Amino acid sequence: GQQVMQIPQYQHVQEGEDFTTYCNSSTTLSNIQWYKQRPGGHPVFLIQLVKSGEVKKQKRLTFQFGEAKKNSSLHITATQTTDVGTYFCAAPLRGQAGTALIFGKGTTLSVSS
Amino acid sequence: EPEVTQTPSHQVTQMGQEVILRCVPISNHLYFYWYRQILGQKVEFLVSFYNNEISEKSEIFDDQFSVERPDGSNFTLKIRSTKLEDSAMYFCASRLTVSPGGYTFGSGTRLTVV
Repeated sequence: GQQVMQIPQYQHVQEGEDFTTYCNSSTTLSNIQWYKQRPGGHPVFLIQLVKSGEVKKQKRLTFQFGEAKKNSSLHITATQTTDVGTYFCAAPLRGQAGTALIFGKGTTLSVSS
Repeated sequence: EPEVTQTPSHQVTQMGQEVILRCVPISNHLYFYWYRQILGQKVEFLVSFYNNEISEKSEIFDDQFSVERPDGSNFTLKIRSTKLEDSAMYFCASRLTVSPGGYTFGSGTRLTVV
C-alpha cells in the first residue's frame, strides 16, 4: 500500500540550533499535512500544504511542499525546549483529497538547554 | 476551542473480552475516524465514517472491529474479542470537511490487553 517515508527517526539538538524533518512519497500527493505530538499527548494539526512548491511559515516553523508534490519538509529555526515532541507528516491514503490519512513514522525531536 | 472527547482514558481488559471505546466528535464535524498508535510507533489508520456509514477501512480493521454512531453525538469503536496485540493508544478524530483542514484528535484511550 501507499507509504510515506519520514527521516530522520530521531534528532537531538541543543537549544537554539535548527531542525529539519523530511517526508517522501513514491506517488504524487494531493496534499500533505503536518502534526505535532508531545510526549504522552495526541497529534495536533499544524498545517496543510496543497500547491506545488508551496512554502508556509508559522513563526519559527517553515513548511515546504516539493515541486513534484512527492516530498515535504518541516524546518524549525532556533529550537526551543517547547519544540520537543514527535513531528508527523500525513498524506491522503489513496493520494486523493478526501480520503483518510496515512502517517509517516515521525521524527522525534529532543532539545537540551 | 472545540474538542474531541474520548472515554475512558485508560482501559485494561482480559484477552478475549469485548471493549467499546467511546468518542464524542466536535458537534458540527461530518467526518469521523479511528486511528491507533502502538507505543513508540506511528499513527495507523483504522476506519473512516461519513454519513452514517464506513467510507474507508484499513487491513487492520478486520471482522473483530466495528464502529457505530448510535446517536447524534457518540462515535464508538468496538473490539469483539481482544488480543494482546490490540494493546495500543486509540485515537478518535473528526473534521468538518475533507479539504482544506486537518483532523482534530481526541486525547486517546490507552487500551491494555492482559
